[in-house]
Amino acid sequence: GENVEQHPSTLSVQEGDSAVIKCTYSDSASNYFPWYKQELGKGPQLIIDIRSNVGEKKDQRIAVTLNKTAKHFSLHITETQPEDSAVYFCAASLHGNQFYFGTGTSLTVIP
Amino acid sequence: SAVISQKPSRDICQRGTSLTIQCQVDSQVTMMFWYRQQPGQSLTLIATANQGSEATYESGFVIDKFPISRPNLTFSTLTVSNMSPEDSSIYLCSVEAETNTEAFFGQGTRLTVV
Repeated sequence: GENVEQHPSTLSVQEGDSAVIKCTYSDSASNYFPWYKQELGKGPQLIIDIRSNVGEKKDQRIAVTLNKTAKHFSLHITETQPEDSAVYFCAASLHGNQFYFGTGTSLTVIP
Repeated sequence: SAVISQKPSRDICQRGTSLTIQCQVDSQVTMMFWYRQQPGQSLTLIATANQGSEATYESGFVIDKFPISRPNLTFSTLTVSNMSPEDSSIYLCSVEAETNTEAFFGQGTRLTVV
C-alpha cells in the first residue's frame, strides 16, 4: 500500500517568514494530494489540493508543488501569520478512494 | 463542501462499556469514512461505511470491536465496543465530495476511557 512520509514534525517560524512542509509518497499510481490544517479541538480542514496532472497550485498565501517523478509534494505558506499556527497533514490518494496521511507537522508562528 | 456534524463532541467512558458516535451530513454522499487519531498522531482509517451493505474494515480493525451502521446516504454511526484505555482517541467521520476526490471531516469525537 501507499506510504506517506512528512517532514518536519515541528516547525517554528517568525511571523512574516515562509514555511515549507514536505511529503513523499511511495505509490506512483496516487493522483490526488490534499493538505489539511487541524486546529486544536477541531477536525482537519482542507486548505489546498493538487492533482497529478498539475505541477503547482496557488491560493493566496498558500501554494503546493508536486514532483511526480520524485514522488514528493510540498506545502508553502508565505507571509505567515499567528493564525497559521496549527498541525498540517499531507495525504495521498488514488481517485479519492482511500487517503493515506502523513504524520503531521506542528507549525508555530511566533509573533 | 459538505457540513458534517458529529455527536458527541467528547465523552469520558468507563472501561468495558460501549459508545456510539453519530455522523450526520447535510447532503447525500456516497462514501463515508471513519478515522481514528490517537494523541499527537496522524489519522488512521478504520473503515469505509457503505450504504446498504457491510462496512469495509482496514487491517487491524474488526467489526466486533467497531460496528458501523449506514442506514442512508446522510448518516452513519460508529460504535466503540468493550472499551479499554487504549481506545482513548479522537474519532473522525469523513465524507467524500461529489467530485469523488475531496474528503471533508467532522470536528471529531474526543473519547477518553478510564
